[in-house]
Amino acid sequence: EVQLVESGGGLVQPGRSLKLSCVASGFTFSNYGMNWIRQAPGKGLEWVAYISSGSSYIYYAETVKGRFTISRDNAKNTLYLQMTSLRSEDTALYYCARILGVRGYFDYWGQGVMVTVSS
Amino acid sequence: DIQMTQSPASLSASLGETVTIECLASEDIYDILAWYQQKPGKSPQLLIYDASRLHTGVPSRFSGSGSGTQYSLKINSLQPEDFASYYCQNGLSAPWTFGGGTKLELK
Repeated sequence: EVQLVESGGGLVQPGRSLKLSCVASGFTFSNYGMNWIRQAPGKGLEWVAYISSGSSYIYYAETVKGRFTISRDNAKNTLYLQMTSLRSEDTALYYCARILGVRGYFDYWGQGVMVTVSS
Repeated sequence: DIQMTQSPASLSASLGETVTIECLASEDIYDILAWYQQKPGKSPQLLIYDASRLHTGVPSRFSGSGSGTQYSLKINSLQPEDFASYYCQNGLSAPWTFGGGTKLELK
């Protein structure tokens, strides 16, 4: 069974940093591209970042480019999102999600981890 | 960036009814479109990809259609577990964008 378990969220002050993790199991993690997708409270879904299976390709949404860094450790089956210079508008539930095939479809999602940016 | 516009934003329907949700892309996305279902407090789940292909385990009462810039999700014979929010998504190119969502409520 595919499982994605996020951790590392919490309450952080504006301008500070936070690092999220997502541990994968039930599939060969090193074969799949992975993503972070977020959802602000009561709002819709916003794709945040993508990393290819071997970390060769990385993409970011414009709203986080230069502030967030996606990375992965295939030996540990773990995906990361380093978030710096956090803003109130970054407050959201952050999901890690596996990409399906070669298209930008997300076939498995974690349960999400909440990040709240507030003073 | 490709903009995805969903309609309606909310929809009330009864059990057993058939409903359709529309999604309009700002440019041709060549059927590279997905639909997701999200129940309250839960993660989104992939229903349909490539505009019309059902993901594993998705009931056949769900169907997708469309081409170019216009797509739709149809749910036949609504069941209690179908009342949820639905999102379309452009899968063609990053940044992968979602529609604003449609909340399907029980009338």
